[in-house]
Amino acid sequence: GAGVSQSPSNKVTEKGKDVELRCDPISGHTALYWYRQSLGQGLEFLIYFQGNSAPDKSGLPSDRFSAERTGGSVSTLTIQRTQQEDSAVYLCASSNPGDRANEKLFFGSGTQLSVL
Amino acid sequence: AQSVTQLGSHVSVSEGALVLLRCNYSSSVPPYLFWYVQYPNQGLQLLLKYTSAATLVKGINGFEAEFKKSETSFHLTKPSAHMRDAAEYFCAVKSSGGYQKVTFGTGTKLQVIP
Repeated sequence: GAGVSQSPSNKVTEKGKDVELRCDPISGHTALYWYRQSLGQGLEFLIYFQGNSAPDKSGLPSDRFSAERTGGSVSTLTIQRTQQEDSAVYLCASSNPGDRANEKLFFGSGTQLSVL
Repeated sequence: AQSVTQLGSHVSVSEGALVLLRCNYSSSVPPYLFWYVQYPNQGLQLLLKYTSAATLVKGINGFEAEFKKSETSFHLTKPSAHMRDAAEYFCAVKSSGGYQKVTFGTGTKLQVIP
């Protein structure tokens, strides 16, 4: 596609429910990143994928958080048993590591998650 | 391990004044360094980057940054602030090797006073 697409753009859920956030990266981008943006916390790294594998999951806050990527394309971030502190904007970004001259991340518009 | 530290979560400058946003990095291998900007109600976009070529890097909208290895710094500057520069600015680091993780700082919100 033309850009990184994230859905839903807004998600309101009740504490304890599971949520799934979707990211559709730019076609051909092999690297995919998930970040969380909270007020005053900047961009918190969650996980990154190279192809379908995740070399670095160190940023996932707890075992309630998981992510997968299939076919080297779409990724899903799942949060189980949501808590109020999970409320934040979840950002996805993709890049083409092979294109050194145009090295940069392309960000989606994010999913605003609100846990009531 | 890699990290960036941005000094000052909020910076205020008068319109026409110098903008200086500070970023220091830590990286065990030569880094790639980036500044991203997030305008109100918009997504993050790349402002400029350093990828081991010229140490003084020019970006969009009159911004520039200088890579100083001896100081492990990559401060962002602009000679004269405009109202439209009001935004949040994020410094980021990536190792130049095969490891692709990009680590961001906590951001600096720039306010421009008319």
